[in-house]
Amino acid sequence: SAVISQKPSRDICQRGTSLTIQCQVDSQVTMMFWYRQQPGQSLTLIATANQGSEATYESGFVIDKFPISRPNLTFSTLTVSNMSPEDSSIYLCSVGRALQETQYFGPGTRLLVL
Amino acid sequence: EDQVTQSPEALRLQEGESSSLNCSYTVSGLRGLFWYRQDPGKGPEFLFTLYSAGEEKEKERLKATLTKKESFLHITAPKPEDSATYLCAVQAVDSGTYKYIFGTGTRLKVLA
Repeated sequence: SAVISQKPSRDICQRGTSLTIQCQVDSQVTMMFWYRQQPGQSLTLIATANQGSEATYESGFVIDKFPISRPNLTFSTLTVSNMSPEDSSIYLCSVGRALQETQYFGPGTRLLVL
Repeated sequence: EDQVTQSPEALRLQEGESSSLNCSYTVSGLRGLFWYRQDPGKGPEFLFTLYSAGEEKEKERLKATLTKKESFLHITAPKPEDSATYLCAVQAVDSGTYKYIFGTGTRLKVLA
């Protein structure tokens, strides 16, 4: 499986600010995804990061709030914009060789918004 | 509505006390069922993929099985290092669109 890293591993931010999370993979992958895991909750898919085109967002998530970039097959960023305490969560990127195959997860970014 | 339910929510076992975790699902167009282990402060670690009813996979003290409505993760003679949250996810396809649905997990604590 691919080795996935995320930066930062954790951060504490003030409300109204934005944070960009990076996801780096050690090999080229077809699929990259961004998830949110709120305390005590299940993982929720935010969007699929598409290389060279706009991300595909799930219901309830919008580009203005969670802009995503994917400039190549090994790297993606997720920005959490205009943060509020409700955005406090763990943000995870995952990768897969194809949509119907197993997803592998990065270590996550733990975000606390004050 | 597609749904994945895991039970129990939390489980405490003595070291060596075998047990099973349950993942029941109601989805249309099931393509696969996945088990992950998640340690506190870390991302989910992949354990198993099951694709069809009757399929079984094993890894050390863990064995995953799949029926048409549920999956079990059997833990044989657990050790304290098996303590973690175990997540189940199903992959389904609906009108050509793939989706992953995660359960809320079972928090396992194995006592020495």
